[in-house]
Amino acid sequence: DQQVKQNSPSLSVQEGRISILNCDYTNSMFDYFLWYKKYPAEGPTFLISISSIKDKNEDGRFTVFLNKSAKHLSLHIVPSQPGDSAVYFCAASEPGNQFYFGTGTSLTVIP
Amino acid sequence: DSGVTQTPKHLITATGQRVTLRCSPRSGDLSVYWYQQSLDQGLQFLIQYYNGEERAKGNILERFSAQQFPDLHSELNLSSLELGDSALYFCASSPQAGGLQPQHFGDGTRLSIL
Repeated sequence: DQQVKQNSPSLSVQEGRISILNCDYTNSMFDYFLWYKKYPAEGPTFLISISSIKDKNEDGRFTVFLNKSAKHLSLHIVPSQPGDSAVYFCAASEPGNQFYFGTGTSLTVIP
Repeated sequence: DSGVTQTPKHLITATGQRVTLRCSPRSGDLSVYWYQQSLDQGLQFLIQYYNGEERAKGNILERFSAQQFPDLHSELNLSSLELGDSALYFCASSPQAGGLQPQHFGDGTRLSIL
């Protein structure tokens, strides 16, 4: 049973525009949400996180939004750059518990 | 560089064999996690160790086992290997057992079963 879902396997965006990656979850006990970025032949790299007490967290070009009522998480990248082309995973956890990962969205930023 | 080291990077072996994957966590991290990523799949949590003790178990097969040593490095043992065990195996570490902190990943071991 997939508790964290990324329904878009891929996304293409023009350089300079906004990239929006989406993630849905089913477990209302999740209290910590993260986004990871993965390049080929490398491990996932932590990008940004948000706790359930917030609805937005921003770090430079990256902003994560959390809508608890909809059980929905999104990552906004503005402006998108070719170096952002990678696979993005969202993850979620209950307090002190294991992380559940989505299947990833492959982002391509077109120069 | 995440600070998490996994060896070997690649492993090719045959069905029925046994292999050991090794992970050194970031300096100071007490928790180690193992994940499996099969083709087009997300990261599947296998097992977590915290300061030498098993902390949590996910979808880990009985043919698989792990341990964390006093120096905090960890090993994942896979035995009676099957074709379906071909995957990327990632190790991650974090300072504590849980809480609002990210895990940091190594670059993985690619296991190919022929």
